[in-house]
Amino acid sequence: DSGVTQTPKHLITATGQRVTLRCSPRSGDLSVYWYQQSLDQGLQFLIQYYNGEERAKGNILERFSAQQFPDLHSELNLSSLELGDSALYFCASSSNKRQSYTFGSGTRLTVV
Amino acid sequence: GQQLNQSPQSMFIQEGEDVSMNCTSSSIFNTWLWYKQEPGEGPVLLIALYKAGELTSNGRLTAQFGITRKDSFLNISASIPSDVGIYFCAGLYGQNFVFGPGTRLSVLP
Repeated sequence: DSGVTQTPKHLITATGQRVTLRCSPRSGDLSVYWYQQSLDQGLQFLIQYYNGEERAKGNILERFSAQQFPDLHSELNLSSLELGDSALYFCASSSNKRQSYTFGSGTRLTVV
Repeated sequence: GQQLNQSPQSMFIQEGEDVSMNCTSSSIFNTWLWYKQEPGEGPVLLIALYKAGELTSNGRLTAQFGITRKDSFLNISASIPSDVGIYFCAGLYGQNFVFGPGTRLSVLP
């Protein structure tokens, strides 16, 4: 157990739908990062939050949005889902020292 | 943005062989991390390197922070079947880490 909790572990939904992925960071970590990993691909950085505020944006589609709440958990919202959005979505967290990222076990999203 | 290259992209080795892989960039990085990802799981940190020239071991794994600060190397000795997975390097650029595309390792019994 890495200390980063992601729910749900698996999600199957239809095209056009909207889903919410949830991440609880490791205790004490203020930064949360979201990554997308398509089949046999690398980790594509989506977005970072630090203590409730957006810090950095990567290749995140306009249909996707995220937020970090006062208790530091984060949610990634994916809307108007397309088949190509099927992927593993990872959340990672880090402390102020930023010496490494700790990843959760991911949410596997399947859009049918 | 900053980019990391990893080579080889994939490799098939025989159980018991040693493995070498590297991560290179045209930019200077201040910290290098090596992660391993097993199928269906999140990446797990293997080794962290914080100083140029640093050589760090974790069991059968050894990693080095290149002196130029533009590269890092990971070696696995006497590979075993459970070494199978994707190995990612990550470099700290500014305040965030940049990840390489990964090296996919397959170990044949």
